[in-house]
Amino acid sequence: SQQGEEDPQALSIQEGENATMNCSYKTSINNLQWYRQNSGRGLVHLILIRSNEREKHSGRLRVTLDTSKKSSSLLITASRAADTASYFCATDAVLQFYFGTGTSLTVIP
Amino acid sequence: NAGVMQNPRHLVRRRGQEARLRCSPMKGHSHVYWYRQLPEEGLKFMVYLQKENIIDESGMPKERFSAEFPKEGPSILRIQQVVRGDSAAYFCASSITGDQPQHFGDGTRLSIL
Repeated sequence: SQQGEEDPQALSIQEGENATMNCSYKTSINNLQWYRQNSGRGLVHLILIRSNEREKHSGRLRVTLDTSKKSSSLLITASRAADTASYFCATDAVLQFYFGTGTSLTVIP
Repeated sequence: NAGVMQNPRHLVRRRGQEARLRCSPMKGHSHVYWYRQLPEEGLKFMVYLQKENIIDESGMPKERFSAEFPKEGPSILRIQQVVRGDSAAYFCASSITGDQPQHFGDGTRLSIL
């Protein structure tokens, strides 16, 4: 079964609002990564957070990791229409990466 | 610096034919991963290769599927005697080492008639 599960499955917001996506996983991990996928394209790596880190920032992105709850969240602040994409979390567990089914984000101009 | 290159972008095969998907990793990357994405589903790991070696193929179906990453040339994912259920997008990713972020190609969309 898939290791990562994103929530919600779909999210629609107005431009300028913040978007929060959550990811839950099942087993111990080395790190957790977030990727973005535009329609018909490959995944683009956004941010990696290691298991001993709790929070990480990159531009308008903020990722948190709670290993006790086996969950992570991705916050996109001041969203833009160009942020419209699917977002996946991936967990690194001994040579394999497990991806969830993704959150489809639509930012309405 | 060119990214991960996959070809072809779209591949159509009839049931029973063979499909060959190619992946050229980023320059300097010796680790290659193949994933399959079914419609409305997340990516599923298939196989992890490092030059001339299969490190982990636990996600790959035991029959009809094979992968290689020769010393020279691209990595090849080969599907023999394709069936309708093989229709999917197949993504390749590469990384410098096994614990670094993976860079993805744009995928090959395989359609089986």
